[in-house]
Amino acid sequence: AQSVTQPDIHITVSEGASLELRCNYSYGATPYLFWYVQSPGQGLQLLLKYFSGDTLVQGIKGFEAEFKRSQSSFNLRKPSVHWSDAAEYFCAYDNQAGTALIFGKGTTLSVSS
Amino acid sequence: NAGVTQTPKFRVLKTGQSMTLLCAQDMNHEYMYWYRQDPGMGLRLIHYSVGEGTTAKGEVPDGYNVSRLKKQNFLLGLESAAPSQTSVYFCASGATTGELFFGEGSRLTVL
Repeated sequence: AQSVTQPDIHITVSEGASLELRCNYSYGATPYLFWYVQSPGQGLQLLLKYFSGDTLVQGIKGFEAEFKRSQSSFNLRKPSVHWSDAAEYFCAYDNQAGTALIFGKGTTLSVSS
Repeated sequence: NAGVTQTPKFRVLKTGQSMTLLCAQDMNHEYMYWYRQDPGMGLRLIHYSVGEGTTAKGEVPDGYNVSRLKKQNFLLGLESAAPSQTSVYFCASGATTGELFFGEGSRLTVL
């Protein structure tokens, strides 16, 4: 069955340090993949998406993600983390019918000063 | 521009009571969704709709019903609430399945 896995439940990064959040997928064909962010008490916001083509995709707020078929991964990165990046991050994929998004369990990012 | 609006934002129910959560979007989106969010479980899809008059089951549909009588509204009903339905419920809409716009959530407690 298709799924996404976010191996890290909670990550703490120092402000100004680089960030990488992991997402692994299990899918028969090339999936459509997404990263969303949820600030405390808020709904989710789309950061970036991958459908096909260039495997490095740029998103909002300085985030990027790289699709690696050989590793079945779609990791989210940011070169320098700001305190305002503290939030919960979700990797997601489209269901087989292409009609809905299925989310991973999320990774909580804390930023230390 | 209101985007996606959920009402109510908070509700406390007793076991066995019924209630309806309302989601309204003003972006003319075809797709609408109800998710629930629980600690350590991420967001799980309850039901969704790909257009007015259509609904479909998601990952965790049991105990919930939905209706999409108007394009801009998507209602989530609990006929007989159970403590296991204590959760934060999020509505989302989108012109496509990829870019979804979320409401701020409705926190439901069932005692």
